[in-house]
Amino acid sequence: GAVVSQHPSWVICKSGTSVKIECRSLDFQATTMFWYRQFPKQSLMLMATSNEGSKATYEQGVEKDKFLINHASLTLSTLTVTSAHPEDSSFYICSARISSVIYNEQFFGPGTRLTVL
Amino acid sequence: AQKITQTQPGMFVQEKEAVTLDCTYDTSDQSYGLFWYKQPSSGEMIFLIYQGSYDEQNATEGRYSLNFQKARKSANLVISASQLGDSAMYFCAMREGRRSSASKIIFGSGTRLSIRP
Repeated sequence: GAVVSQHPSWVICKSGTSVKIECRSLDFQATTMFWYRQFPKQSLMLMATSNEGSKATYEQGVEKDKFLINHASLTLSTLTVTSAHPEDSSFYICSARISSVIYNEQFFGPGTRLTVL
Repeated sequence: AQKITQTQPGMFVQEKEAVTLDCTYDTSDQSYGLFWYKQPSSGEMIFLIYQGSYDEQNATEGRYSLNFQKARKSANLVISASQLGDSAMYFCAMREGRRSSASKIIFGSGTRLSIRP
């Protein structure tokens, strides 16, 4: 299957700092990328849908000024957690959709574990 | 309203036995897709199997099969001849508007499967 990478795989930061997480589709072009958040022992919750070249669409309850998403190219989307606080500590997973009319498949990155001290 | 329901938070199964993981869903769309993902302790999301709402036959992928009962809105995952490596979290997921570029995958709460030797 297609490969999606995330960087970094884990990050520890101090409260109040900003953290950027990158999501790349390595061998395909992704017109749409998704960002999910997963708390321990819970399910994946969709945060936002990111389309290349346009503003991200955020799910209800997700602060767009807190979680900045940029999808500047067909292979890269970034999530920036601004002024991170301990409650932002979570596992962040991105997903990229192949822009194929037939399959419309979606592949997940390996996730980024964020710990805010 | 919850759209994907997994009623089994945890299951224990003896190695080599078959196991069924339950999933029910709710949608008003006629066109949708159903997925099962496996998430080991490493956190990566591993795609297992896909069923389209218009697919007449139940999907199968190796030891995985999806028992799709459209009228009952259920999409149970059957794992035959379970192995120790099958121990993981399993998520049922749905995408409404199967071929829409705007459609998104939402997840159930998950079932933790533990295989006993």
